[in-house]
Amino acid sequence: DTEVTQTPKHLVMGMTNKKSLKCEQHMGHRAMYWYKQKAKKPPELMFVYSYEKLSINESVPSRFSPECPNSSLLNLHLHALQPEDSALYLCASSLAGSYEQYFGPGTRLTVT
Amino acid sequence: AQTVTQSQPEMSVQEAETVTLSCTYDTSESDYYLFWYKQPPSRQMILVIRQEAYKQQNATENRFSVNFQKAAKSFSLKISDSQLGDAAMYFCAYRKNYGGATNKLIFGTGTLLAVQP
Repeated sequence: DTEVTQTPKHLVMGMTNKKSLKCEQHMGHRAMYWYKQKAKKPPELMFVYSYEKLSINESVPSRFSPECPNSSLLNLHLHALQPEDSALYLCASSLAGSYEQYFGPGTRLTVT
Repeated sequence: AQTVTQSQPEMSVQEAETVTLSCTYDTSESDYYLFWYKQPPSRQMILVIRQEAYKQQNATENRFSVNFQKAAKSFSLKISDSQLGDAAMYFCAYRKNYGGATNKLIFGTGTLLAVQP
């Protein structure tokens, strides 16, 4: 089973709201990723967690705050977002850092 | 720095025909992986095929096969007997085979494939 789940599927939030995106995998993968994707563009890496430790932060604004509570779960906390943050947010996981990544279905975020 | 180039922004193929999507990459590394990912309109990115650079044999997955030319740094995807469900954005991607989780997946810009009935 190569399944990564993400909730919610869709999220609409105002610029003053606080919300969270959730990602879960039960494949025993120890690396998890957050990507941002604009329409018809490739995904852009935001964060990487390896063995529950943040190993890459691609200079993402502090209004995005990742959290990895355990090896199966990855959260992305959102606060004071801007309309330009509207995008598809993809989570991915891999067995270890150098193996192929498996993606979740994404959360479509709209900031109003 | 490594780069991945997909020179065909859009392509079209008739159902049941064969189509080839192009990908070139630039790297000074010798040990790496190459991938093709498919992203249908439903959005989920699906791994189609993987190629290890040290393997000379081209990878094959059912109707999907690659032509890996390491010296030319070329990695094309051939889809045989195209089906309507193959319509999607296809991304070529590269990753070094060391460095653990700091090892980023580098994507090309994508090729949007349409399948005509």
